Amino acid sequence: KAGVTQTPRYLIKTRGQQVTLSCSPISGHRSVSWYQQTPGQGLQFLFEYFSETQRNKGNFPGRFSGRQFSNSRSEMNVSTLELGDSALYLCASSLLTSVEQFFGPGTRLTVL
Amino acid sequence: DAKTTQPNSMESNEEEPVHLPCNHSTISGTDYIHWYRQLPSQGPEYVIHGLTSNVNNRMASLAIAEDRKSSTLILHRATLRDAAVYYCILREGDDKIIFGKGTRLHILP
Repeated sequence: KAGVTQTPRYLIKTRGQQVTLSCSPISGHRSVSWYQQTPGQGLQFLFEYFSETQRNKGNFPGRFSGRQFSNSRSEMNVSTLELGDSALYLCASSLLTSVEQFFGPGTRLTVL
Repeated sequence: DAKTTQPNSMESNEEEPVHLPCNHSTISGTDYIHWYRQLPSQGPEYVIHGLTSNVNNRMASLAIAEDRKSSTLILHRATLRDAAVYYCILREGDDKIIFGKGTRLHILP
């Protein structure tokens, strides 16, 4: 069974631009969560989707948004990029919302 | 904020058992204790979780104190591939996962 895939793996943007990251969960998994990882703040929860509905949300500004499609694939969008948004963005999927999560390799976003 | 306290780093010799401690003095009765680890340049991976009883799986064992205010992840025979950051997390049901700083485990050959 294929693991969680994230595209693109690397991305370079400039301040003020927007970016969309994609995550394909493991087949059959209906829950997708997004995390931001930086050296200073560590792993921080962004949001979680289950059956196209946002179930949980972390403490991030409204510039960070996401959605989930009927096939469970998910996208997250960051608008008006700031230098501090440079990070590794990780997606994780799980069969249900309360069980173990399987993480993808992440998308490394660099904002110049 | 994370509700767990872990040492910043630990060292262990290869092929020796490793005991990774975690304190969670404010744990509630419905919080599960989860452990994840993150190998270099990879996303985190699930290790084990438990509620009250000790748990074993192919990767590790989880020993939970009787009062549930602390727990220990046990790697029975460490290998170089076990060098990673280990995160101890409390999670109530399907609540969001809050990662702390974790323990960076160094394995000495």
